[in-house]
Amino acid sequence: GAVVSQHPSRVICKSGTSVKIECRSLDFQATTMFWYRQFPKQSLMLMATSNEGSKATYEQGVEKDKFLINHASLTLSTLTVTSAHPEDSSFYICSAKSASGGPGADTQYFGPGTRLTVL
Amino acid sequence: AQSVTQLDSQVPVFEEAPVELRCNYSSSVSVYLFWYVQYPNQGLQLLLKYLSGSTLVKGINGFEAEFNKSQTSFHLRKPSVHISDTAEYFCAVSKNQAGTALIFGKGTTLSVSS
Repeated sequence: GAVVSQHPSRVICKSGTSVKIECRSLDFQATTMFWYRQFPKQSLMLMATSNEGSKATYEQGVEKDKFLINHASLTLSTLTVTSAHPEDSSFYICSAKSASGGPGADTQYFGPGTRLTVL
Repeated sequence: AQSVTQLDSQVPVFEEAPVELRCNYSSSVSVYLFWYVQYPNQGLQLLLKYLSGSTLVKGINGFEAEFNKSQTSFHLRKPSVHISDTAEYFCAVSKNQAGTALIFGKGTTLSVSS
């Protein structure tokens, strides 16, 4: 149980275009989802926290107008990189936290990541 | 504010040798500590976690970690490593309470050779 999927796993796009990345919790309801960014050989940096049905909370230095996050249901959150540029190329990872009280409620489950390359 | 320091960026070991990956944290509140493993081009997989109770935590793949409050450490150990343990290992602390956003260390690359 506790599987989180991401789609697509890899995406290559041209500079100036927008890219949408989906994060799904497959076998549990995720009240909270997190989006991280990982540069090569570096740690994960939290970008934003999204709660189902409400606006995402962005970390300092993350442009909310560039990285649009939508958490429309308890099993789906999307990250849209708008007007992507080469410096946005990175590995984007989502994680999901299940609703309180259930098994694994104190654990984040991570998706496999999406590698974005902007040409 | 919370922070995590992984003292070794790279740890090379031979197969079947023991290994310890060090992690220290700082926090002014109660902490919840995690170790994750990341294999090449893959997402993170939870190895083990400390939320409360026994300070010695056993995880998957034969790994264990000990929470030491006085030394603010949560070192990861395995008595005998395999080639397949070669990966990036991340120590993390929960931001405010269990289950909320994690603060990660910079990672330790474990390289196991024969």
